Amino acid sequence: NAGVMQNPRHLVRRRGQEARLRCSPMKGHSHVYWYRQLPEEGLKFMVYLQKENIIDESGMPKERFSAEFPKEGPSILRIQQVVRGDSAAYFCASSPPRTLTNTEAFFGQGTRLTVV
Amino acid sequence: QQQVKQSPQSLIVQKGGISIINCAYENTAFDYFPWYQQFPGKGPALLIAIRPDVSEKKEGRFTISFNKSAKQFSLHIMDSQPGDSATYFCAATQSYNTDKLIFGTGTRLQVFP
Repeated sequence: NAGVMQNPRHLVRRRGQEARLRCSPMKGHSHVYWYRQLPEEGLKFMVYLQKENIIDESGMPKERFSAEFPKEGPSILRIQQVVRGDSAAYFCASSPPRTLTNTEAFFGQGTRLTVV
Repeated sequence: QQQVKQSPQSLIVQKGGISIINCAYENTAFDYFPWYQQFPGKGPALLIAIRPDVSEKKEGRFTISFNKSAKQFSLHIMDSQPGDSATYFCAATQSYNTDKLIFGTGTRLQVFP
């Protein structure tokens, strides 16, 4: 059972370009979360999605950022017109359908975005 | 109220010693408290977790102590090993809500032989 797969592992974009980060959850997992980690800081929640639905986007910047989790295919985090401040590690986590006792989320290895 | 405060920022421990990392929270609705271990260039991995109905949970060399009245919880690593050198994050969530994790700022642990 493969873990959470993120690609690319490293992404370099010039200011003003678009960045697309992909996340394939673990098999059987229908919940996907995106987190951002700035250098020397903890992870900050961005968005929580289920298939074809955004459940909680309270951590997403109001502009330039969007996320989707289509019926087929990976979840995509899209950053338009990137700026230097977007440089960070972006982590995806997935979890199975929630039960009363199971809350564990499994993280991917992250995509390190560098804006030059 | 959504914050989780973690200390210390960094910790140096001799091999065989005890590493202790502390976290505090404000939101009494939090009901699940995991600890994550992260090695450089890797994603966080769940180490151990606790719910507020117990005051302590032990798994091997790792123990969580939980103080509900003080809204504090801590990670103890017994017999610390150089392989434990990593960054540790505490987190909290309302598992009946959206499951989003609120992370502490992390503790960089270095264990010297």
